[in-house]
Amino acid sequence: DAKTTQPNSMESNEEEPVHLPCNHSTISGTDYIHWYRQLPSQGPEYVIHGLTSNVNNRMASLAIAEDRKSSTLILHRATLRDAAVYYCILRDFYNQGGKLIFGQGTELSVKP
Amino acid sequence: GAVVSQHPSRVICKSGTSVKIECRSLDFQATTMFWYRQFPKQSLMLMATSNEGSKATYEQGVEKDKFLINHASLTLSTLTVTSAHPEDSSFYICSAYRRGGTDTQYFGPGTRLTVL
Repeated sequence: DAKTTQPNSMESNEEEPVHLPCNHSTISGTDYIHWYRQLPSQGPEYVIHGLTSNVNNRMASLAIAEDRKSSTLILHRATLRDAAVYYCILRDFYNQGGKLIFGQGTELSVKP
Repeated sequence: GAVVSQHPSRVICKSGTSVKIECRSLDFQATTMFWYRQFPKQSLMLMATSNEGSKATYEQGVEKDKFLINHASLTLSTLTVTSAHPEDSSFYICSAYRRGGTDTQYFGPGTRLTVL
């Protein structure tokens, strides 16, 4: 699976939108973009994933650039419970069910 | 939703003893489970892939004789840290894919191991 680059940390204010960027310039045509997050002292949890089109679910939205070399995870209204490390991971379609390799992620802090 | 549990959540042991950590998929079958280790302020590091009914596949640099993995059923995998030493103190996390599901990993809450 190809490599991703994320900022080490970001800050947000409570109840404001947060845009978490991820660069993946070497993405292949069969790579899905997955986002997981890890709250303090917990195991990671799945957030969202997509291939080409923008995706929405109850947790977040995923905006994917037209050339797919970057993507942005959008939290529409940050809450204090959204403070976590967010990981952007590429998953090859043909590697489904295979191991997941975590990068350093972005540590998001949310100020009241 | 898919739930993965781990037991114990926290364990303290003396140097030289062995510790077993259980990982269970509570409401789904998991043919493949994964074990990760995480040191403070660091990312998750994959240790091994556990396949039901077969030997685990270890990542490079992980001692298979020290970290014994058993995946005896479709809902249970165990990690045994043998002859634990203080440098083995870490946060151990397991995960699993739902059999027949999407390409989403479900993670356990983690086990904090402290070796004195």
